[in-house]
Amino acid sequence: NAGVTQTPKFRVLKTGQSMTLLCAQDMNHEYMYWYRQDPGMGLRLIHYSVGEGTTAKGEVPDGYNVSRLKKQNFLLGLESAAPSQTSVYFCASSYLSPGVAYNEQFFGPGTRLTVL
Amino acid sequence: GDSVTQMEGPVTLSEEAFLTINCTYTATGYPSLFWYVQYPGEGLQLLLKATKADDKGSNKGFEATYRKETTSFHLEKGSVQVSDSAVYFCALSPLTGGFKTIFGAGTRLFVKA
Repeated sequence: NAGVTQTPKFRVLKTGQSMTLLCAQDMNHEYMYWYRQDPGMGLRLIHYSVGEGTTAKGEVPDGYNVSRLKKQNFLLGLESAAPSQTSVYFCASSYLSPGVAYNEQFFGPGTRLTVL
Repeated sequence: GDSVTQMEGPVTLSEEAFLTINCTYTATGYPSLFWYVQYPGEGLQLLLKATKADDKGSNKGFEATYRKETTSFHLEKGSVQVSDSAVYFCALSPLTGGFKTIFGAGTRLFVKA
């Protein structure tokens, strides 16, 4: 099992350019998440999905869009990149089993994005 | 709203020293509590968890006890190694909306040989 994979690993964009980050998981998890990690701020949730075809906004959704057309994939799009979107982006997935009170998340290795 | 506060780093220790990283939380009811670890260049991975008051989570020599009365979940290890150098995140999963996790800002640990 590869777990959670992310592509690309690194990317440099110019202001105004667009790009899509791809996340894939092979654990058949229902839930998937996109976070950004900035120094001193921990992880902040951008968008999440509770199942194929569904998405919802997290804490910092502005400037991002997402799609979950297949259960195993969760795409994060930047339509017009801004320097404030320079960050490390992590994808995660999780499942909930009946009677299980907690939610362990499994993370990908991250994508380091720089917007000039 | 729910939140997690953990001690600022970096924390620098010598090998075999005792480690404590403080974590306190604000939440309604009894959330599940976690410590995640992020090694250089990698994503986060779960280190340990506790799902109810007075539970002790443990893994790889690390321990943390869920203290409802002080709303704390401090991470401890009796003897750190150079390989423990990483960023440690305290996190909670609320009782309702349990598929979300709220993370602290992270504490970077450096262990010197």
